[in-house]
Amino acid sequence: QQKVQQSPESLSVPEGGMASLNCTSSDRNFQYFWWYRQHSGEGPKALMSIFSDGDKKEGRFTAHLNKASLHVSLHIRDSQPSDSALYFCAAKQTGFASALTFGSGTKVIVLP
Amino acid sequence: GALVYQYPRRTICKSGTSMRMECQAVGFQATSVAWYRQSPQKTFELIALSTVNSAIKYEQNFTQEKFPISHPNLSFSSMTVLNAYLEDRGLYLCGAREGVPGPSQNTLYFGAGTRLSVL
Repeated sequence: QQKVQQSPESLSVPEGGMASLNCTSSDRNFQYFWWYRQHSGEGPKALMSIFSDGDKKEGRFTAHLNKASLHVSLHIRDSQPSDSALYFCAAKQTGFASALTFGSGTKVIVLP
Repeated sequence: GALVYQYPRRTICKSGTSMRMECQAVGFQATSVAWYRQSPQKTFELIALSTVNSAIKYEQNFTQEKFPISHPNLSFSSMTVLNAYLEDRGLYLCGAREGVPGPSQNTLYFGAGTRLSVL
């Protein structure tokens, strides 16, 4: 079983609309979370990190973390065609010598 | 800003031969470097994590004998795929982060990857 699960697999949203992505961890040792975005032909780029319960907003992106349920979400407001990409949730345990575990990704398509 | 460069971007090797890929961190000190392989289905597999002044930690299913890694300084790392076969195909990603050993949640910055094809 994957330790970091994402839903949905794919999501279409009209330009200007809101996209909502979900991520759940099955491992309580994961305490720190990131959202990465990967455009075709590129490596993943960090969008934002979230380590505390509640919301964190950066521009059009808002992440929400609920540590009790190990659930983190990402909401993209006013979606743009350039937001069309693969989005990955990544989780990490405490400690420098631990790497990121990635989810399987959500493909977001913004329809013009 | 923090940038990570990987080269080559694409490479093709014959089955049974070896291929070396490189990773360069610019604008920060890469105290820790993680190598991943991304499958054609886009899933990530962690190969190994290298931290300065610590032994390189390989994940299950990946060994030093098959994927030797070098991390000689705070800006450079390389990995070789020895005796490459079809199952080794994929996008090899290098992720690097700064920070001192100890509890740290520094962001991992990735390069664009080296795409390995095996004939």
